[in-house]
Amino acid sequence: AQSVTQPDIHITVSEGASLELRCNYSYGATPYLFWYVQSPGQGLQLLLKYFSGDTLVQGIKGFEAEFKRSQSSFNLRKPSVHWSDAAEYFCAVGANAGNTPLVFGKGTRLSVIA
Amino acid sequence: GAGVSQSPSNKVTEKGKDVELRCDPISGHTALYWYRQSLGQGLEFLIYFQGNSAPDKSGLPSDRFSAERTGGSVSTLTIQRTQQEDSAVYLCASSLGPRLAGDTQYFGPGTRLTVL
Repeated sequence: AQSVTQPDIHITVSEGASLELRCNYSYGATPYLFWYVQSPGQGLQLLLKYFSGDTLVQGIKGFEAEFKRSQSSFNLRKPSVHWSDAAEYFCAVGANAGNTPLVFGKGTRLSVIA
Repeated sequence: GAGVSQSPSNKVTEKGKDVELRCDPISGHTALYWYRQSLGQGLEFLIYFQGNSAPDKSGLPSDRFSAERTGGSVSTLTIQRTQQEDSAVYLCASSLGPRLAGDTQYFGPGTRLTVL
């Protein structure tokens, strides 16, 4: 069965600073990997996803993530954080078997300070 | 077009009462999922519908939980005899399907359930 670990519960960064949110997964085959963002009181919005091919994936809002099979990681990055990026970020893994329920990490809450 | 919608947005109920939560998926999406998000936790899968196939109920935490999907569109999640530990945000998602590899799931805004 798949599992996802987001080791950082809460991260605080200064506006304009770079950001990296960690995600490690466990799955026996090549996974489908996702990053979602959830603003307070909102549903989840897809930032980016990885299925195959180029291991560096570009997403919306200036985010990118890199799939590293050797490290079982799919870390999310942004070169310069904006105050509006403050939210909860969830990494998720899907089985390589078509539409299946996703397995989510417990999330990382991002705070942005001036 | 319209995204996934859920109603009500908030529901407060008393312990022991039954509640129904509704999800309207994106038009044309054949796959529909229910997840539960408890405070400080990630999202927990509850149930999955794909077209006319039998639903995957493997995530339902107890027999007090059930869900149906009428006409392959709207879904209702029912919790009977609610308990305080049922308090959570219930999220619905839909995807295009069927069985398209890695198809994106689109989430609704959720229903926040509070059991007093």
